[in-house]
Amino acid sequence: GAGVSQSPRYKVAKRGQDVALRCDPISGHVSLFWYQQALGQGPEFLTYFQNEAQLDKSGLPSDRFFAERPEGSVSTLKIQRTQQEDSAVYLCASSLVGNTIYFGEGSWLTVV
Amino acid sequence: DQQVKQNSPSLSVQEGRISILNCDYTNSMFDYFLWYKKYPAEGPTFLISISSIKDKNEDGRFTVFLNKSAKHLSLHIVPSQPGDSAVYFCAATGAGGTSYGKLTFGQGTILTVHP
Repeated sequence: GAGVSQSPRYKVAKRGQDVALRCDPISGHVSLFWYQQALGQGPEFLTYFQNEAQLDKSGLPSDRFFAERPEGSVSTLKIQRTQQEDSAVYLCASSLVGNTIYFGEGSWLTVV
Repeated sequence: DQQVKQNSPSLSVQEGRISILNCDYTNSMFDYFLWYKKYPAEGPTFLISISSIKDKNEDGRFTVFLNKSAKHLSLHIVPSQPGDSAVYFCAATGAGGTSYGKLTFGQGTILTVHP
């Protein structure tokens, strides 16, 4: 596709439920990032992949958060046992190494 | 510990006038700065960037100024247009390698341009 594609766009989860958010980066983009944006705040870095290697996961808030990119293309962000404070927009971004970063439209997660 | 701050939550400007959005940072390791624009229900879109070796970068109606000694940057939009109404985020990153793309964002400034 032309841009970074994320699914689902909107997800309502009950507290304690597991969720999986998918990201399709721009074709050929080596670098992939996940960010979390809480209401009224700027995006906050979660994790970074170069191809299939997860080079930085320092922003993941707890061990309930897990990300993977097994074939160096599509990535999945998984949140286990969701809690209300996990409610946010989860943004995926991709780039060629050392180039402009392009964001997807985000997955809006609401935990009730 | 907010390393990038946008102290003005909102800014209202008349069409045709200049919009000035400000951003301050505290981390002296930041050496590359970006501005993103965000419309509701969309992801942030890259607007303009500046490296710390420069003090100004211009692209059409958009100019970014960097004052390293003051750890301050600003985005000027001239002339402002109603379509510029959006949330503007300032972001910063450190020297290359794996830190590239690990952006630290400010809280955003809502710009409203009135016709």
